[in-house]
Amino acid sequence: AQSVTQLGSHVSVSEGALVLLRCNYSSSVPPYLFWYVQYPNQGLQLLLKYTSAATLVKGINGFEAEFKKSETSFHLTKPSAHMSDAAEYFCAVSASSASKIIFGSGTRLSIRP
Amino acid sequence: DADVTQTPRNRITKTGKRIMLECSQTKGHDRMYWYRQDPGLGLRLIYYSFDVKDINKGEISDGYSVSRQAQAKFSLSLESAIPNQTALYFCATSDTGGADTQYFGPGTRLTVL
Repeated sequence: AQSVTQLGSHVSVSEGALVLLRCNYSSSVPPYLFWYVQYPNQGLQLLLKYTSAATLVKGINGFEAEFKKSETSFHLTKPSAHMSDAAEYFCAVSASSASKIIFGSGTRLSIRP
Repeated sequence: DADVTQTPRNRITKTGKRIMLECSQTKGHDRMYWYRQDPGLGLRLIYYSFDVKDINKGEISDGYSVSRQAQAKFSLSLESAIPNQTALYFCATSDTGGADTQYFGPGTRLTVL
């Protein structure tokens, strides 16, 4: 079975600071990993995904994530936060092309001026 | 026009009433999903359908039913609504398997009094 744990339900950073959102996964087979973002009053949209190619994945809006098998982690980073990055971020895992996606509980990112 | 639409966007109803939430997609995808979002719990899968003749229960299907009327349409019903079904409901679609991006609708905010 697959599962995903997001550490920290709320993260607050200053504008221009590093953003780091943590995600650890559990999977009995090589996983597919995703980060989705939800802006206020909107549905989720894909930020980036890992599908067993390069371990460093670049996404939209300057975000990237690194797959670390030894640490079972897929943390999301952005070097410099913008006010527009304020949103809720969800990490998700899928085990294979035939399976469904399991979402984490989400991390709300706030940006301080 | 949006690729995934949900109707209604907001609904307030009373305990015991039957409610139907509708989802339509223009992406031509075979797979459709219904999720429920509650604060601090992330997204939980209610039902999913891999094609018109395939319906599967998710992790929280009790109290819900679905109908896949066509490739493009997937509706969720609450036969007898109860207050703890108050939540934000999302429909999503994907092309094939677990590595594929899910595309979400804008959500339906349901309140059961």
